[in-house]
Order: sequence, then structure tokens, then C-alpha cells
Amino acid sequence: DAGVIQSPRHEVTEMGQEVTLRCKPISGHNSLFWYRQTMMRGLELLIYFNNNVPIDDSGMPEDRFSAKMPNASFSTLKIQPSEPRDSAVYFCASSSMSGTDSGNTIYFGEGSWLTVV
Amino acid sequence: GNSVTQMEGPVTLSEEAFLTINCTYTATGYPSLFWYVQYPGEGLQLLLKATKADDKGSNKGFEATYRKETTSFHLEKGSVQVSDSAVYFCALSAFGANAGKSTFGDGTTLTVKP
Repeated sequence: DAGVIQSPRHEVTEMGQEVTLRCKPISGHNSLFWYRQTMMRGLELLIYFNNNVPIDDSGMPEDRFSAKMPNASFSTLKIQPSEPRDSAVYFCASSSMSGTDSGNTIYFGEGSWLTVV
Repeated sequence: GNSVTQMEGPVTLSEEAFLTINCTYTATGYPSLFWYVQYPGEGLQLLLKATKADDKGSNKGFEATYRKETTSFHLEKGSVQVSDSAVYFCALSAFGANAGKSTFGDGTTLTVKP
């Protein structure tokens, strides 16, 4: 079975450039999450969608960050303009969630390793 | 709000040693509890879970029991291997408005030496 697919796996970009990270969730999953992981701050939830609708974006650090989910099989996380402190691993994850069941597993992608120089 | 507190790392053990990583939680209601593992260069993956009190989750020799009275979900393994070296995350998932928003601990890095 195909898991959560992220692209690119690695990206090195210059400060000020726009970065777009892409994610294809597991087919049939109705919730999608974007996380950021760094040594300093650990794993942080940036935003999550339920049925393509953003539910909680309180973790999005600044207006430079934006996320979209135009359909059930695709999401993007965009950083514009990028800064060196945005260097991190960005994980997309998906799950089949419902309000009546808390026991559903979150499935993570392999991550997009971003370096901003 | 919900929170998860894990034993601080890093933890270094010799092969075949006994492992315990402590995890306690704070949540309203009756959450589900999870342990995820992250191997170097990879994303997190589910190791085991328990959805109600007194349930025991187990996988690959790892075990954890959902203890409601002590609000704990400690991870144990009787004999660790070098291949168990990874970062381990305790997490909870609750019902209601926050059903989709799992809460993760800070992670505990385990290194197993031959």
C-alpha cells in the first residue's frame, strides 16, 4: 500500500525564495496534518485539515507560511519568503479520523528536509 | 488542555538490557494512547497503541499498559537490540472537538550499544 507521499525529499534554497512542499495523503483518509521537526523545538503541529477544510492553524508560525488542500488527495505547504530559521524537516501525515473515535493512527510521510541558506 | 510528559533522554543501554521509557498524560475524558517510533532519516510510525483503560498494546517485543489510575503509558521491552535505536514518542488522541489533534511528547532518544 502506498503511504503518505511527500515531495521534494530534500531542498536547499536561498533566503527569500519561495518554497512549496507537496503531500499526497493515504487514499481514503479524511484528515491531513503538517508538522515541523527541529532539534530545538521538537515536533510541532503547524496545521490540520479535516475533509479538506483547515480546522486548526494555530501552529502556523507566521504569515509567511500558508497551507492549502484543494482536494482529498493533495496538499501544499508554502513558505514565502523563506528564512534560514525555517530550516527543518517538514512532515505531512494523514489519518482516518472521526469525532466519535480517538483510536485512529496517524501515518507520517518520510518528510521534506528543507535547508534555507 | 491535553499534555504528554515523557522521560527525558537520551537513554543509552547495552544490547539485551531491559528498557523502560516513562510516559504520563493529562487529558479530559478517556483518550487513546500511542507510542510512535522514528528511525534515523524517517518519519514517525506507530509502534503500539491502547484505546481504553487496562488495555495492553504490544508490538516487536515492546509493551505498554494504559493505566488510568496513574495516567501513565510506560513503554517496556525486556531485551533491546541495536536495531531498536531510535526516537520514541508517546502521544494521545482525544474525542470531541480535538479528536483530530493528537498531542505528542517531546520524544526520547534511545541508543543501544552492542
